[in-house]
Amino acid sequence: DQQVKQNSPSLSVQEGRISILNCDYTNSMFDYFLWYKKYPAEGPTFLISISSIKDKNEDGRFTVFLNKSAKHLSLHIVPSQPGDSAVYFCAASARGGNFNKFYFGSGTKLNVKP
Amino acid sequence: ETGVTQTPRHLVMGMTNKKSLKCEQHLGHNAMYWYKQSAKKPLELMFVYNFKEQTENNSVPSRFSPECPNSSHLFLHLHTLQPEDSALYLCASSPAGGMNTEAFFGQGTRLTVV
Repeated sequence: DQQVKQNSPSLSVQEGRISILNCDYTNSMFDYFLWYKKYPAEGPTFLISISSIKDKNEDGRFTVFLNKSAKHLSLHIVPSQPGDSAVYFCAASARGGNFNKFYFGSGTKLNVKP
Repeated sequence: ETGVTQTPRHLVMGMTNKKSLKCEQHLGHNAMYWYKQSAKKPLELMFVYNFKEQTENNSVPSRFSPECPNSSHLFLHLHTLQPEDSALYLCASSPAGGMNTEAFFGQGTRLTVV
């Protein structure tokens, strides 16, 4: 059963506009949420995260919003740039003893058009 | 450069071959992970090692055999694989200790089973 879902496999946005990527999760035990960015032929790289005690975290052009009641998070990129074109994975983390287990969505491919 | 190195980057093997994937991290982390990424599917957690002990086996077929000789090295031994095992295999590491943290990924091994 997939615990983290990204229902939009792709998104196309014009350069300079806002990109909004969405993610839903089902497990209320998740307490830490992450976004990763992945270019072809490379591994995912960490982008931004948010703890379950917050509802917003901002880092430059990237902002992650968390709605715990809806079990939903989103990543906003503004302004979008062509270099942002990549696959974005949403992930959620749960503690497994003294280490974290990370659960990933299927990814959203973002295309930022010049 | 994430500090997690995987070799080889690409591997083509026959169904009767035996091969091994290697992962090495120089981040001082104590938790290491194997993930499988198939096209348009979520990253699937395969195995977790914490302080060299296997703490998670996510119903992975026995034709995949992990080995963790120390906290810096992780192997995935492959034998009698099937064509459907063709995928990108990603290694990751994270600090142990129960803190909220991200996983750091290697660049992956693109495996093709013929």
